[in-house]
Amino acid sequence: DAKTTQPPSMDCAEGRAANLPCNHSTISGNEYVYWYRQIHSQGPQYIIHGLKNNETNEMASLIITEDRKSSTLILPHATLRDTAVYYCIVRAALFNKFYFGSGTKLNVKP
Amino acid sequence: GAGVSQSPRYKVAKRGQDVALRCDPISGHVSLFWYQQALGQGPEFLTYFQNEAQLDKSGLPSDRFFAERPEGSVSTLKIQRTQQEDSAVYLCASSLAPGYSNQPQHFGDGTRLSIL
Repeated sequence: DAKTTQPPSMDCAEGRAANLPCNHSTISGNEYVYWYRQIHSQGPQYIIHGLKNNETNEMASLIITEDRKSSTLILPHATLRDTAVYYCIVRAALFNKFYFGSGTKLNVKP
Repeated sequence: GAGVSQSPRYKVAKRGQDVALRCDPISGHVSLFWYQQALGQGPEFLTYFQNEAQLDKSGLPSDRFFAERPEGSVSTLKIQRTQQEDSAVYLCASSLAPGYSNQPQHFGDGTRLSIL
């Protein structure tokens, strides 16, 4: 599976959009991009995933660049409850396990 | 409940004791995964089941670790002769489809294991 690179931490003001970047420059054609988040003392929570088209659901939007070498998770109106570690994962559909990496600690501030 | 359930939530054991950790996946989910998460790190894959078959156990750190899912639903992760380095959070995840699909995995809140 392709390796991902994320900044270790980011700050965001409450009510503003949080844009979390992820670099996956070695991604291959059959690999999906997944985003999870983990709030302290809880298990990872699925947010969104995509292959090459941009995706949106009730939680977030996923923007994947045309060359698929990077992506951005967008939380449109961050709240204090969005403070968590966000993991960007790249996984081929033929493989079952996720490689989580270290993630980005998002601090949403009032 | 609707989500993945793990028990116990916390487990303290003395070094050398055996422990068993339970996972109840979401009903009807074919795939079940175990992960180990050390403090301050991301989860690391341990093993994968498709129904009752253990198809991948490449992440199990030693032969002291054993997992089973005899009826294709509930799974148990057993650690024999525990060591201090086994202290971690053990996470279980399940997925509706077989592991080779693009379906997301849904995680429980884990069991925090502390070895004294």
